[in-house]
Amino acid sequence: DAEITQSPRHKITETGRQVTLACHQTWNHNNMFWYRQDLGHGLRLIHYSYGVHDTNKGEVSDGYSVSRSNTEDLPLTLESAASSQTSVYFCASSESKGGAYNEQFFGPGTRLTVL
Amino acid sequence: GNSVTQMEGPVTLSEEAFLTINCTYTATGYPSLFWYVQYPGEGLQLLLKATKADDKGSNKGFEATYRKETTSFHLEKGSVQVSDSAVYFCALSLTGAGSYQLTFGKGTKLSVIP
Repeated sequence: DAEITQSPRHKITETGRQVTLACHQTWNHNNMFWYRQDLGHGLRLIHYSYGVHDTNKGEVSDGYSVSRSNTEDLPLTLESAASSQTSVYFCASSESKGGAYNEQFFGPGTRLTVL
Repeated sequence: GNSVTQMEGPVTLSEEAFLTINCTYTATGYPSLFWYVQYPGEGLQLLLKATKADDKGSNKGFEATYRKETTSFHLEKGSVQVSDSAVYFCALSLTGAGSYQLTFGKGTKLSVIP
């Protein structure tokens, strides 16, 4: 069965370190998204990609970067981790049909703690 | 811009009670509407959707009707179970080429007690 996986599921790091969160999908979807989930803020879009070599900034992109070298993977990098980036991170993917077909499939999430 | 407003939680209900979670939206254009559910420790999963005015989405006993005149998409269930305890998110997506993003509400946490 097709799926979307994230690794690691839990990560503790220190302020200033570079961290990369992995996202891998086997749906063969063109669109991939990274969100962070925080109490009181719901889901906020960090970055998204509509295809290989395409990346775009979301509403909370400062301090994060992504690259898309193939269809299956969209790793999220925190260049220099800050305590404000402690959060739960979700990756999602969707087809490129638009409208009602914009259903996104979510991974299980990565809980990141920055000390 | 586009936005989704959900009723503030948390909501606590007894088993077999009636559930309503309000959702209203603002959109430049004609959106598709979604309800997602997030069970503890998991990612979001689609619960139901509707693509045009007066459409009713339904799944697992949950229903929501797309009301264009009131820009609403309220989630209802006639008799909740303990297993329905989760966070529920309302979301919209605009139709049209290149519109692949979802705009989410902040979520409503539901707790059902036996």
